[in-house]
Amino acid sequence: DAGVIQSPRHEVTEMGQEVTLRCKPISGHDYLFWYRQTMMRGLELLIYFNNNVPIDDSGMPEDRFSAKMPNASFSTLKIQPSEPRDSAVYFCASSFRLAGAYNEQFFGPGTRLTVL
Amino acid sequence: EDQVTQSPEALRLQEGESSSLNCSYTVSGLRGLFWYRQDPGKGPEFLFTLYSAGEEKEKERLKATLTKKESFLHITAPKPEDSATYLCAVQAANDYKLSFGAGTTVTVRA
Repeated sequence: DAGVIQSPRHEVTEMGQEVTLRCKPISGHDYLFWYRQTMMRGLELLIYFNNNVPIDDSGMPEDRFSAKMPNASFSTLKIQPSEPRDSAVYFCASSFRLAGAYNEQFFGPGTRLTVL
Repeated sequence: EDQVTQSPEALRLQEGESSSLNCSYTVSGLRGLFWYRQDPGKGPEFLFTLYSAGEEKEKERLKATLTKKESFLHITAPKPEDSATYLCAVQAANDYKLSFGAGTTVTVRA
């Protein structure tokens, strides 16, 4: 398996522009997570989905952020409009639940976002 | 709210010099404690899951242990390739999300 795939790997944009980050989870995984990592705040959960349904979006910083999962193999995180304080590395992770056991999350390589 | 505190923030070791990393946690019912390794420019890579106090797991030069309030990651006779940031995370019994600590950055010099 190719693992969790994220695109783009790097994104540089100007303040006010719309940014869309993409994620393809591992096939067969039914949980998908979006995280943000900064030096100041570490790794923070933004939102997670189960079977394509958003379960907890309490970590989404504000209305400028939105996430969708139209099917089991694709998710997007959108920031509109972007601000310099959104600069961070955004990770997507996926996992699965089998027979009641909660398994580890597998992380993608991340998207490094720079908002000028 | 779940809290995870890792110490020290940074650790510089000589090759072969064993040491331990600490992860203290507060959670309302622990489902699992996770250790991840993160290399620069990459996503976290899963190492271990511990579920109950007294449990231990080993992988090569790494050994993780768990008590009711903290976990330790022991690095025995480290090599330069063990240099990385080690992240600890907890999962509460009533939830599925992970709460991460800030990490310990380990540098092993040859």
